[in-house]
Amino acid sequence: DIQMTQSPSSLSASVGDRVTITCRASQNITTFLNWYQQRPGKAPNVLIYAASRFQSGVPSRFSGSGSGTDFTLTISSLQPEDFATYYCQQSYSTVYSFGQGTKLEIK
Amino acid sequence: EVQLVESGGGLVQPGGSLRLSCPASGFIFTNYWMNWVRQAPGKGLEWVASIKPDGNEKYYVDSVKGRFTISRDNAKNSLYLQMNSLRAEDTAVYYCARDRLKIGGRYFDYWGQGTLVTVSS
Repeated sequence: DIQMTQSPSSLSASVGDRVTITCRASQNITTFLNWYQQRPGKAPNVLIYAASRFQSGVPSRFSGSGSGTDFTLTISSLQPEDFATYYCQQSYSTVYSFGQGTKLEIK
Repeated sequence: EVQLVESGGGLVQPGGSLRLSCPASGFIFTNYWMNWVRQAPGKGLEWVASIKPDGNEKYYVDSVKGRFTISRDNAKNSLYLQMNSLRAEDTAVYYCARDRLKIGGRYFDYWGQGTLVTVSS
């Protein structure tokens, strides 16, 4: 099975900061990589699919990049509503897997 | 409007069984793969199982193989998860999620609100 490893596990930042979260796959997944945001007590919402494609309605401050085994999610200028937990997910295999999550907290 | 509404969660003893349901509306159910994803209290997301639109292909995470069965009733637009031989580590919020296939990608575009399963004596 494909293992997904995110870093960091948690991150403190301020409104207006630029932040980057990384995700590494245990094998080549080409661009079958998705990013989700989850707020406390809520279901996850997809932000980016296929490594760099925007889901409809997602603010343009979110962007994704990468291919193969290494991927990044960047938030260009943090807004108060962005403080949440972020997960990567590979959809290359029929056995899906998520990263362990990155909790983004207010500094 | 797409809606997924899970039900069937609750408190069950170790070794017991539970059946989760997820009726779907607002889209053509038979066009989509469907999934179950769970989240233990304070932990991350774990994909559990997926099922093809016609129900003829199913996939599971290793930790539930042989104990959980995903199924669907396309006449009722509903997804199910039969959970047997439950263990404490199965305690989690269980979400159903629609699988969206696009050129170059595949992801979960709609999720239910989740139903809590607690396995405890």
